[in-house]
Amino acid sequence: QKEVEQNSGPLSVPEGAIASLNCTYSDRVSQSFFWYRQYSGKSPELIMSIYSNGDKEDGRFTAQLNKASQYVSLLIRDSQPSDSATYLCAVSGQSGGGADGLTFGKGTHLIIQP
Amino acid sequence: GAVVSQHPSRVICKSGTSVKIECRSLDFQATTMFWYRQFPKQSLMLMATSNEGSKATYEQGVEKDKFLINHASLTLSTLTVTSAHPEDSSFYICSRGAAYGYTFGSGTRLTVV
Repeated sequence: QKEVEQNSGPLSVPEGAIASLNCTYSDRVSQSFFWYRQYSGKSPELIMSIYSNGDKEDGRFTAQLNKASQYVSLLIRDSQPSDSATYLCAVSGQSGGGADGLTFGKGTHLIIQP
Repeated sequence: GAVVSQHPSRVICKSGTSVKIECRSLDFQATTMFWYRQFPKQSLMLMATSNEGSKATYEQGVEKDKFLINHASLTLSTLTVTSAHPEDSSFYICSRGAAYGYTFGSGTRLTVV
């Protein structure tokens, strides 16, 4: 049984600071890792995907993956009030192919304080 | 605009009736699509994998006779909740597969009264 663990929060961060979100997963064969942002009542939108160990940066967002520790993180720099949302960590067993659905964590509720 | 269209966005139905939810891939053909369910303050749970031209595969604990999935074309998958009960009230969301970045539809809020 695949499991993805996240701290549910809420995580409160001052505007302009760095928000750090963490996730661990149980299945060592997992290959693909995703961070989604979900606003209340809406469907998730993809923020970042990462497949290899190390860091991947995209604008204000940096995803970090450590497969040995089974750990994924998301850093949000220069946090804005509009970043306030629930952030979902998701894991897939396969990279590419599309035959494997995602296993989601319960999400971390992030609040950016103006 | 949305590349995965889901309809309806909201539906209220009476207990015992059936509801059909459509999920369309607008820009690419999708041989595989996924259906998820999200209860309030819970995360998304994968219900089933919809395969074009073949039977859907269901996750453990999901009743295949209650949640009927049809993927008759490369751009359309449907989920029918049969004999709906109040405990089926949830947010149902479809997505495409990894080849298209697991793009999600906008979701359907089902309320069974």
